[in-house]
Amino acid sequence: KAGVTQTPRYLIKTRGQQVTLSCSPISGHRSVSWYQQTPGQGLQFLFEYFSETQRNKGNFPGRFSGRQFSNSRSEMNVSTLELGDSALYLCASSLAGVTEAFFGQGTRLTVV
Amino acid sequence: QKEVEQNSGPLSVPEGAIASLNCTYSDRGSQSFFWYRQYSGKSPELIMFIYSNGDKEDGSFTAQLNKASQYVSLLIRDSQPSDSATYLCAVIPNSGYALNFGKGTSLLVTP
Repeated sequence: KAGVTQTPRYLIKTRGQQVTLSCSPISGHRSVSWYQQTPGQGLQFLFEYFSETQRNKGNFPGRFSGRQFSNSRSEMNVSTLELGDSALYLCASSLAGVTEAFFGQGTRLTVV
Repeated sequence: QKEVEQNSGPLSVPEGAIASLNCTYSDRGSQSFFWYRQYSGKSPELIMFIYSNGDKEDGSFTAQLNKASQYVSLLIRDSQPSDSATYLCAVIPNSGYALNFGKGTSLLVTP
């Protein structure tokens, strides 16, 4: 059974640009959540989607957005990138959002 | 923001010993509790989950949950150098669908 797939694995962007990250969940999983990991803040929750609906949102500015498609694949978008957005972005999939969640390998975003 | 607290460590144990990792949480209504292991440069890997009070064993891992004390722990028996990693405690609060993570405990198992 394939795991959670995130693309791309690495990205370098310039301040002010926007970026889109993709996440394909484990087959049959309908919940996808996104996290930002930085050395200082640890893992912080961005948002969670279930059946194309955002059910939860963390405390991030509106520059961070996401969506989920009918096949449960999800994308997150960050607009007007700032240096502080440099981080490892992780997505996790689970059956329903309150059960075990499995992480993808992450996308390492560097903003210069 | 509901809090999940862990001692950052590093926790150093000799090879073959039992490593004990602890976590407290503030949302008394939390129902789901998880332990993840994260190696440097890698993504978190789920190693244990527990939903009910008591102990749950899986291989060399034992998770312990005490909801009255709002406390969850992870024991690693016969620790090996390959167990050296950061261990993350995560809790799903009563009202949400997101994992709320602690900052993690760094474990070092010395040969």
